[in-house]
Amino acid sequence: DAMVIQNPRYQVTQFGKPVTLSCSQTLNHNVMYWYQQKSSQAPKLLFHYYDKDFNNEADTPDNFQSRRPNTSFCFLDIRSPGLGDAAMYLCATSRDLGRQPQHFGDGTRLSIL
Amino acid sequence: AQSVTQPDIHITVSEGASLELRCNYSYGATPYLFWYVQSPGQGLQLLLKYFSGDTLVQGIKGFEAEFKRSQSSFNLRKPSVHWSDAAEYFCAVGAPSGGSYIPTFGRGTSLIVHP
Repeated sequence: DAMVIQNPRYQVTQFGKPVTLSCSQTLNHNVMYWYQQKSSQAPKLLFHYYDKDFNNEADTPDNFQSRRPNTSFCFLDIRSPGLGDAAMYLCATSRDLGRQPQHFGDGTRLSIL
Repeated sequence: AQSVTQPDIHITVSEGASLELRCNYSYGATPYLFWYVQSPGQGLQLLLKYFSGDTLVQGIKGFEAEFKRSQSSFNLRKPSVHWSDAAEYFCAVGAPSGGSYIPTFGRGTSLIVHP
């Protein structure tokens, strides 16, 4: 089945130690998104790629960066994680930026020690 | 910019009872509307969507939603809830912003199902 895969499902890192989360898709969708979701809150969009075009949300901290080396893969890099960055990180894809619904991975739960 | 409100943080129903989850949006025209469900520890799954046409939309798992322009609402309904429906439900609204339609999510409603 075509799907969105996030690895790892659980990630523990130390305060200030860089961490990378990965997302892959077999849907061949043009758009890939990264969301941060804290407990009992709505997913918060961090950034998205339309093909290779990167779009950062205005309030996304500089500590968060992303790479999309090809259509299938997208990475979220957190350069110096703080305690406030502990959250679920969701990757999603969509065919385009119009009416197409988003397809989500199961997320990566990030814990900061 | 569009906004979406889910006024109920928690909803508790008995198994077999009917369900309605509320969603109100703020946008001048008709936006794209979605309902997603999130089970614990998992990503979001699309239940249904509305773009235009028939205002009553059927989705997966027996859910439906009705778009009411006059009330700026898109409430989710199910006639008989099953214990497996216990999850977090998110309404999302997509409207043009800078040439794209990236949805804005509501804060979610947690559904608790009693046996």
